Amino acid sequence: EAGVTQFPSHSVIEKGQTVTLRCDPISGHDNLYWYRRVMGKEIKFLLHFVKESKQDESGMPNNRFLAERTGGTYSTLKVQPAELEDSGVYFCASSSQGGSNEQFFGPGTRLTVL
Amino acid sequence: GDSVTQMEGPVTLSEEAFLTINCTYTATGYPSLFWYVQYPGEGLQLLLKATKADDKGSNKGFEATYRKETTSFHLEKGSVQVSDSAVYFCALSERSGGYNKLIFGAGTRLAVHP
Repeated sequence: EAGVTQFPSHSVIEKGQTVTLRCDPISGHDNLYWYRRVMGKEIKFLLHFVKESKQDESGMPNNRFLAERTGGTYSTLKVQPAELEDSGVYFCASSSQGGSNEQFFGPGTRLTVL
Repeated sequence: GDSVTQMEGPVTLSEEAFLTINCTYTATGYPSLFWYVQYPGEGLQLLLKATKADDKGSNKGFEATYRKETTSFHLEKGSVQVSDSAVYFCALSERSGGYNKLIFGAGTRLAVHP
């Protein structure tokens, strides 16, 4: 069974540009989470989808970030326009139905904003 | 709000040394506690977990005991190997609306030398 995949693995963009990160969860997992680790600090929760619906987006830093999960399958996280402080590693995780189940993480996307 | 504090790294050890990585938490309820590990170039993997006070999680020679009285979940291993070199994250699950959003510490990098 394929794990959680993320694309791209690395992205380098200039301040003011737009970047879209993609996450493909494990097939059949209804729960999808986005997290971010900035500059070696703690990994912080961004938002949580259940199927195509946003269950909790309390961690989204501001309205420059837009997450979607069309059809309840893969998810995208768009940053527009990117700022320097958006640099970090963005992780995606998925879990099966039932809130207590283990979250499986992808390898992350390293975003560098210059 | 809930939070996790873990010892700063990097931790550098010789092979077969004893490892302790301290982790303490603050939570209003009764969270589940986790240790995740990130090996170079890979995503986060669940290493072990404990869901209630006095539970001991163990895996791959690593152990951690859920101590409610000291709000701690320290990670230990009796004899580390070079292959244990990785970043270790302590985390708790915050039962928000029934879904297990994870709250992480800042991570501790472990380097084991032959």
